[in-house]
Amino acid sequence: SQTIHQWPATLVQPVGSPLSLECTVEGTSNPNLYWYRQAAGRGLQLLFYSVGIGQISSEVPQNLSASRPQDRQFILSSKKLLLSDSGFYLCAGDRGVETEAFFGQGTRLTVV
Amino acid sequence: AQKITQTQPGMFVQEKEAVTLDCTYDTSDQSYGLFWYKQPSSGEMIFLIYQGSYDEQNATEGRYSLNFQKARKSANLVISASQLGDSAMYFCAKFSTGGGNKLTFGTGTQLKVEL
Repeated sequence: SQTIHQWPATLVQPVGSPLSLECTVEGTSNPNLYWYRQAAGRGLQLLFYSVGIGQISSEVPQNLSASRPQDRQFILSSKKLLLSDSGFYLCAGDRGVETEAFFGQGTRLTVV
Repeated sequence: AQKITQTQPGMFVQEKEAVTLDCTYDTSDQSYGLFWYKQPSSGEMIFLIYQGSYDEQNATEGRYSLNFQKARKSANLVISASQLGDSAMYFCAKFSTGGGNKLTFGTGTQLKVEL
């Protein structure tokens, strides 16, 4: 079965510092991959999605970027974090319209 | 943007009663998939049920059923015989192929099951 390893689980970073969150996929190839952000008690906001290596689509303009250097690796980055970047970040993947998504465990980011 | 709307930010239901969580969506796709996920306080996402846009019958999975009304673009989740463990955040999601493969979530409904 497909799994996503996402790390770290929690992260506290100062304002202005860089960020790199990574997720790796096991158990499948060529998945669609996603980064979501969830504010406390709120919905999942789609940040980026990727249908293949090097292919990144951004949903909202923001202080973040994403990259997919390998088929099973998806990275979320920032050069300088803002307080508003705090939240719960989820990496997810799927194999198409009829398959349920699989999720990482999430990273709780607090920018101080 | 193809939006998913969940109009109920919070719902209460008594144990053993049935509850319906609403979901409506925008789409211009011919083929798409609709999903419901449960998110307990731990943050993990748990898949509950799937409905394909071409499926003529409503999906069912145990105590979960999906009331799919394609013309109205709605996909409501029905939970029968609610249990205390059903208390969680519930998300409706849609997989679209138009404009690139994309899985979009609604804003969620916080369900609390009471004794």
